[in-house]
Amino acid sequence: ILNVEQSPQSLHVQEGDSTNFTCSFPSSNFYALHWYRWETAKSPEALFVMTLNGDEKKKGRISATLNTKEGYSYLYIKGSQPEDSATYLCAFDFGNEKLTFGTGTRLTIIP
Amino acid sequence: DSGVTQTPKHLITATGQRVTLRCSPRSGDLSVYWYQQSLDQGLQFLIQYYNGEERAKGNILERFSAQQFPDLHSELNLSSLELGDSALYFCASSQNNHRPADTQYFGPGTRLTVL
Repeated sequence: ILNVEQSPQSLHVQEGDSTNFTCSFPSSNFYALHWYRWETAKSPEALFVMTLNGDEKKKGRISATLNTKEGYSYLYIKGSQPEDSATYLCAFDFGNEKLTFGTGTRLTIIP
Repeated sequence: DSGVTQTPKHLITATGQRVTLRCSPRSGDLSVYWYQQSLDQGLQFLIQYYNGEERAKGNILERFSAQQFPDLHSELNLSSLELGDSALYFCASSQNNHRPADTQYFGPGTRLTVL
C-alpha cells in the first residue's frame, strides 16, 4: 500500500503570516509529485508538478520544494490572505498515470 | 474554470439503481481519469482512458465501468448502487503527450447521493 501523508491535517493562520506544510511519500520509484489547491465547492486546481530532486517552484506567494531522496515536499505560503483558505493536496505519481493523493491539509486564514 | 465539464452536478438515486456520469475533457486532451472522493477518504483513482482505450485501473468496483468515446468524452457507469457509493466523483483530463508528469485538470465533480 502506498502511503502519501500530509501534515498537519488542519491549520489556522492569521492573515499576513507565512505558513508551510508537508507532504511525505515513498522515496523509491519516484516519478513526480503534484500539488493541488481545493477550495470548497470547487474542483482541485493544479499548482505545481515537481519532478527533480531539489526542485523549487513558485506561483505568486506560494512556493514548493522537493526532496526525493528523503521523500518529502514542503508547500510554503508567504503573507497569507483570506483567499488562500483551501485544502492543499499533494499526489504521488509513479509514472503509471495513477495519482495517489494524500488526505490534504485544510488551511483557514483568520482575518 | 479548468475546461473540463461534468454532468450532472448532483444526482440523487436509490439503492440498486444504475446511473451514468458524463465528462468532457479539455480541448486537445486525450486522457480522461475518474476519481472518487468519499466522506472519510482522500481522492481515490478509479480508472484512466487514453484516446478511447483503457490505460490504467485503480480500485474500481466490478459494478462500475467506464468508456471513452471517439469524441473523447467519457462516461462512468455505476450499477447496483449501494449507500456506500455516495461520494463526489471527479473527472480529470490531461494531454498525455508523453512528456513526463502531465498535469491533470479536474472538472467540477458530480455529487452522487444514494438513498
